[in-house]
Formats: sequence, structure tokens, C-alpha cells
Amino acid sequence: QQPVQSPQAVILREGEDAVINCSSSKALYSVHWYRQKHGEAPVFLMILLKGGEQKGHEKISASFNEKKQQSSLYLTASQLSYSGTYFCGTMRGSWGKLQFGAGTQVVVTP
Amino acid sequence: DAGVIQSPRHEVTEMGQEVTLRCKPISGHDYLFWYRQTMMRGLELLIYFNNNVPIDDSGMPEDRFSAKMPNASFSTLKIQPSEPRDSAVYFCASSPSSGLAGGPADTQYFGPGTRLTVL
Repeated sequence: QQPVQSPQAVILREGEDAVINCSSSKALYSVHWYRQKHGEAPVFLMILLKGGEQKGHEKISASFNEKKQQSSLYLTASQLSYSGTYFCGTMRGSWGKLQFGAGTQVVVTP
Repeated sequence: DAGVIQSPRHEVTEMGQEVTLRCKPISGHDYLFWYRQTMMRGLELLIYFNNNVPIDDSGMPEDRFSAKMPNASFSTLKIQPSEPRDSAVYFCASSPSSGLAGGPADTQYFGPGTRLTVL
């Protein structure tokens, strides 16, 4: 079952912050975050396992709320290079299919 | 490392023709995934292989689609006959084993994709 991402799109000025959410109606084992720039392949950012951990990649961090089955991706002090479409992928078991959300388009302007 | 290699990068064909997409995974990776990306349906997993064996093909849309992995360094996705609604970007991704449980590791490495247009 496809996770639900919100918002669908966000426009930021350089230096501003944003939050992208990824929710599932089913219990999750892990949440994976990828970023895809226009015309390119998705690139792995980070994975969060159940247990509510947080992780970071540059100034991009994420959390996983196991009770809510929701993960949030935090873009802090956004840079132009953060522009792209962010996808969350969810996995219900320790391995298997990765179900991707519809994506959140992020545009960072100067 | 060369990364995942896909060919062709662009393919334009006419409805009814056979299309073959190719993928070379990263050397040493045990898992290979085929995805399709469209505006309407997003990124969908079509099929994945472990050690050249198809594990889950439930995402393959129709019998017109078939995938093979004859060896650890090569996989094909074939569409026969092709239809306009097959137009999409097809990605191949590979992943090493995670070790303990034997499943795929956290990270999937995507190839550059093949943009297929069926007229």
C-alpha cells in the first residue's frame, strides 16, 4: 500500500526550513528517503527503522514516529542544491518490497 | 565503480513493436529491481531478483511484460507488444545483501533510467 506524502509541493527561499511528511496506514518496519533531481535517478538519503530514531544527512534530518506510522523529513537552512522531488519508501518487513509515495517537489529559490 | 548501467537511455517505438531494456547492476550486488515511473502512478516496483532468481513479480502489469536475469551482471525487461500506455521512465536498481538476514541492504542504487515513448 502506497504511503501518503504531504505536501505535494513546497517553494522555499534559500535558508528557509521545510518539513515533508510520509504516512502509512499499516505498521512499518522502515522508512527510506530518496531525492530525485529533474531528469536524474533517485538517490538514497537515509533510512529509519522502527524505534523512533532520527538521522541526518548534511542539514537534512528525519524522524520516524512508530506510534503514528509517520516519518518526517526536515530540510533545515535550505540550499539551492536541495531542490528536487523527495520520495519516501516504506517497507513493512525487514526486507521485501519498497513502496514509494507520490513524492514532494521542493523548489529552493535564491 | 561504474554504477548501475542502463541502455538505451531513450527509446521511441511504435505501438505493437517489441522493446527490450537492459541493465547491468553494480558488481557484487545480489539484488536487482526494475521500476517504472510515470506522472500518474509514481515510482512502481515491477519485479525484483535475488541471485538471478525472480522473487516477486506481482508488480508486472501484464503478460506483455517479462524480465530475465541470465547472470549476475545482466538483466532485461521486455515489452511485447508495446502500447502507448507503457510510455514511462524505467529504472533498474541494485542492492547488496544486508548480511545477517540475507535481505537487500538499506540502499538501492538506481541507474540513469530508460525513457520509453510508445507512439
